[in-house]
Amino acid sequence: QKEVEQNSGPLSVPEGAIASLNCTYSDRVSQSFFWYRQYSGKSPELIMSIYSNGDKEDGRFTAQLNKASQYVSLLIRDSQPSDSATYLCAVIGSSNTGKLIFGQGTTLQVKP
Amino acid sequence: DTAVSQTPKYLVTQMGNDKSIKCEQNLGHDTMYWYKQDSKKFLKIMFSYNNKELIINETVPNRFSPKSPDKAHLNLHINSLELGDSAVYFCATSSGQTTQPQHFGDGTRLSIL
Repeated sequence: QKEVEQNSGPLSVPEGAIASLNCTYSDRVSQSFFWYRQYSGKSPELIMSIYSNGDKEDGRFTAQLNKASQYVSLLIRDSQPSDSATYLCAVIGSSNTGKLIFGQGTTLQVKP
Repeated sequence: DTAVSQTPKYLVTQMGNDKSIKCEQNLGHDTMYWYKQDSKKFLKIMFSYNNKELIINETVPNRFSPKSPDKAHLNLHINSLELGDSAVYFCATSSGQTTQPQHFGDGTRLSIL
């Protein structure tokens, strides 16, 4: 089992729709969860961090965390073509080294 | 003023050569990391340093040697380059607390001929 799993996609949504990206992780005692956005040929850019169960909203982005189910998701409301990118889920596991473990990323395509 | 800067951005070299990649940060962060992103875009940690001390040393060939001359710099030296070393190498930084997010540099695209 991979430590952090994402569906590689591509996930295709029409402009203005809600895009839902999902991620599961295997280390039950993980405490820190992040979503990064990576445009083709660019570096990963942090868009959300979440540490507690529940929802965290920032503009059009909402991160959701369910530690019991070991599941973290990212919702993008009113999706825009500029949101088309690869979204990387990342988890800091149980070690106290800050080791960040990435999923393989989900490619999102927002069609105008 | 770039927060995490890497040099060079592109590196094309022959198999067997030795090369270095440099990273500098002006965020005042205590911890710096090296990641490798392969052709399938999978991003994997290689090393981390906290205040010049090696913290994470993943299963990486010993041809790869990180060096941190001070808190703001972390370099990666690669000996005897192989075809499989072709990838994008990212430097990242975070504040001292191990739960904090990491901020990435622009990457160095290494191509081995």
